[in-house]
Amino acid sequence: SQKIEQNSEALNIQEGKTATLTCNYTNYSPAYLQWYRQDPGRGPVFLLLIRENEKEKRKERLKVTFDTTLKQSLFHITASQPADSATYLCALRADSNYQLIWGAGTKLIIKP
Amino acid sequence: GAGVSQSPSNKVTEKGKDVELRCDPISGHTALYWYRQSLGQGLEFLIYFQGNSAPDKSGLPSDRFSAERTGGSVSTLTIQRTQQEDSAVYLCASSSIYNEQFFGPGTRLTVL
Repeated sequence: SQKIEQNSEALNIQEGKTATLTCNYTNYSPAYLQWYRQDPGRGPVFLLLIRENEKEKRKERLKVTFDTTLKQSLFHITASQPADSATYLCALRADSNYQLIWGAGTKLIIKP
Repeated sequence: GAGVSQSPSNKVTEKGKDVELRCDPISGHTALYWYRQSLGQGLEFLIYFQGNSAPDKSGLPSDRFSAERTGGSVSTLTIQRTQQEDSAVYLCASSSIYNEQFFGPGTRLTVL
């Protein structure tokens, strides 16, 4: 079956360290993959998009990688801060479909 | 407007009552999505509108759920004869086609 998986366990990271979140998928050939941040009681907020022909994308302290062979995307936050604490969702768009398929999200906790 | 707005922000209703949830998308966005999110869960796709095309209703969980989009802008999600399992946060998002989605703050629905 087609699915997209994120680590369901919360990730605890010490402030200043790099946080790395994983998004794995099966049975898709995504045209692109997106990462969103969601704070409690709020809707998700778009962070980064990476296309199938891109290996890496950066934005300030954020970096996303996309390995279509491993069917995996990694989301990195460098020099993490307590304000980075949130749930991070990945979503992919299969080439043949306009819909985004969403992961359940990983809760990130940055400890001071 | 500056972003996607939804109303009401909270709705408490009794089992069996009908409810209407409203979404005002970003002006000019042709695509509009409705999602449902239960506590600690990922986004569950409900329905998609794109321009004047027929909506994709494939995610609606039952025939008690329906949605309209008037004039290619405002959308209303209606749940008839609400059940306790309908309790969730209902999120609306709009986008330019195939681009990142911009979410509203959601409507928290509680069915007693």
